[in-house]
Amino acid sequence: DQQVKQNSPSLSVQEGRISILNCDYTNSMFDYFLWYKKYPAEGPTFLISISSIKDKNEDGRFTVFLNKSAKHLSLHIVPSQPGDSAVYFCAASLIQGAQKLVFGQGTRLTINP
Amino acid sequence: GAGVSQSPSNKVTEKGKDVELRCDPISGHTALYWYRQSLGQGLEFLIYFQGNSAPDKSGLPSDRFSAERTGGSVSTLTIQRTQQEDSAVYLCASSDPGLYYGYTFGSGTRLTVV
Repeated sequence: DQQVKQNSPSLSVQEGRISILNCDYTNSMFDYFLWYKKYPAEGPTFLISISSIKDKNEDGRFTVFLNKSAKHLSLHIVPSQPGDSAVYFCAASLIQGAQKLVFGQGTRLTINP
Repeated sequence: GAGVSQSPSNKVTEKGKDVELRCDPISGHTALYWYRQSLGQGLEFLIYFQGNSAPDKSGLPSDRFSAERTGGSVSTLTIQRTQQEDSAVYLCASSDPGLYYGYTFGSGTRLTVV
């Protein structure tokens, strides 16, 4: 039972344009969501998060949008840069903090010069 | 140390052998997690330690897998009688409960069973 789904295994975007990565979840009890970024041969690193009481959180070029009614969140990167090329994982948690995270399958983002 | 340290970074083993993977979390982090990523798959939860509480072992795929955490710090994940399907990157993470930004991951151990 895949509770967090990233249906696009890969995405290719031109440098300078907007990258939009999508994530769907099935468990309505999830109330905290995170995005992680992973480069080859490295562990995932935290990128941005959002609580269910919000519908948007912005940090520089990165914005996460949450649509609770649709059980959908998205990560927008604008403008996209070559260094953004990585695998992006969406994750969800029942509560903030140390409770275990449920991860999606990841989306490989490639930024083309 | 400054980050989560995992060793070895790569391990090749023969089918049927036992392996031990080590994780050294960030000092002071009371929560420690093991995940694995198989080829083309997402991050699969294996086990979670929180302080002195009984670990959450609900993600361990079989009784060949076990993990322990000594002194609330270093953790060892043991896989007995390895099988080819155990080949994956095993990731360890730690966190400080109450902080909002989730886990800090190590670089992982790439296990290849031949």
